[in-house]
Amino acid sequence: EVQLVESGGGLVQPGGSLRLSCAASGFTFSSYWMHWVRRGPGKGPVWVSRINSYGSSTIYADSVKGRFTISRDNAKNTLYLQMNSLRVDDTAVYYCVRRDFDSWGQGTLVTVSS
Amino acid sequence: QAVVTQEPSLTVSPGGTVTLTCASSTGPVTSGHYPYWFQQKPGQAPTALIYDTGNKHSWTPARFSGSLLGGKAALILSGAQPEDEAEYYCLLSYTGAWVFGGGTKLTVL
Repeated sequence: EVQLVESGGGLVQPGGSLRLSCAASGFTFSSYWMHWVRRGPGKGPVWVSRINSYGSSTIYADSVKGRFTISRDNAKNTLYLQMNSLRVDDTAVYYCVRRDFDSWGQGTLVTVSS
Repeated sequence: QAVVTQEPSLTVSPGGTVTLTCASSTGPVTSGHYPYWFQQKPGQAPTALIYDTGNKHSWTPARFSGSLLGGKAALILSGAQPEDEAEYYCLLSYTGAWVFGGGTKLTVL
């Protein structure tokens, strides 16, 4: 069974940083491109970033470009999202999602507030 | 970045048929946008129903189908059931980046 378990969310002040992790199991993690998707309160989902299976190619939504960095450790079956210069409008549940959007984690809540 | 537009809300009668659409600000939606459709219910992560325009997952009820219609991606629900009441989101690819639509709240009434 495919499992994606996010962690690392929490409350942070504007301008602060957080690092999210996603532990993957039940499939060959190193073979799959992965995404981060977020959903703000009362809003629809927003695609954030994608990384290829090797970690050598990444792409970001304009809203996070230059502030967020996606990475992975295939030896640890773990996906990461380093979030810097956080803004109030980054407040959301962040989901780790497998390549074809067929498997989603339960999400981790990031709240940016003073 | 592109904007993807969906109907904000639609209503369908039980057993009826409804078409949800997904438009792109950059022009006609094509198979090259690899349209996806998701269903989301309160408190749950989105569930993918359709991928690559019209392909279904093993868990997708047969009453859902996807296609391209009039320059838009379309999700057709034939024989609506009460449990189909939910938010529906489309997702389009733009040369590697992805953009979700704003969602359609579907009421079965």
